[in-house]
Amino acid sequence: RKEVEQDPGPFNVPEGATVAFNCTYSNSASQSFFWYRQDCRKEPKLLMSVYSSGNEDGRFTAQLNRASQYISLLIRDSKLSDSATYLCVVNTNAGKSTFGDGTTLTVKP
Amino acid sequence: GAVVSQHPSWVICKSGTSVKIECRSLDFQATTMFWYRQFPKQSLMLMATSNEGSKATYEQGVEKDKFLINHASLTLSTLTVTSAHPEDSSFYICSARDPTSGAVRSEQYFGPGTRLTVT
Repeated sequence: RKEVEQDPGPFNVPEGATVAFNCTYSNSASQSFFWYRQDCRKEPKLLMSVYSSGNEDGRFTAQLNRASQYISLLIRDSKLSDSATYLCVVNTNAGKSTFGDGTTLTVKP
Repeated sequence: GAVVSQHPSWVICKSGTSVKIECRSLDFQATTMFWYRQFPKQSLMLMATSNEGSKATYEQGVEKDKFLINHASLTLSTLTVTSAHPEDSSFYICSARDPTSGAVRSEQYFGPGTRLTVT
């Protein structure tokens, strides 16, 4: 079993749709959590950190459930520019980062 | 945010040659940098952790004699792919954390990546 697992995707949605991605992690000692966005043939860039209380940044909402070892990302009112691969990243207390395989989102007109 | 640069951005080399990739933190000092490899349609796989002034820590299955890492200063780490073969063709990305943010909770800043093609 992989340490970090994500929805395999791909997700193909129309503009304006709401889409949710899920991510589970196996290491209960994991300390911090992030969602990164990676465009084709580019490096990953931080989208948002994920806090226990849940956090929102504009159209994006991230949630963490430590008991279930589950992270989610919700995108509302999808834009064409949201098309990318979304990576779930988990850090252990030693600072090591483990990446999920990513979920590909395509937003269509 | 912090900036990490990589050079070259892409390289094509012949089988058997060695390729050096540089990773620089431009506006902060990074005692630790990370080297990843990403094959098409796959996630980033950590290859090694580069430590300034000491030996790199390699992940299981990564040959340290093939992927030489040197972290000679607080702003520069290099990865040398020795005797490259076509199966080494991949997207190599380095990253660093801003040490003032702490090791666990800080985000990673990624370099733009180096696309290596071995013919």
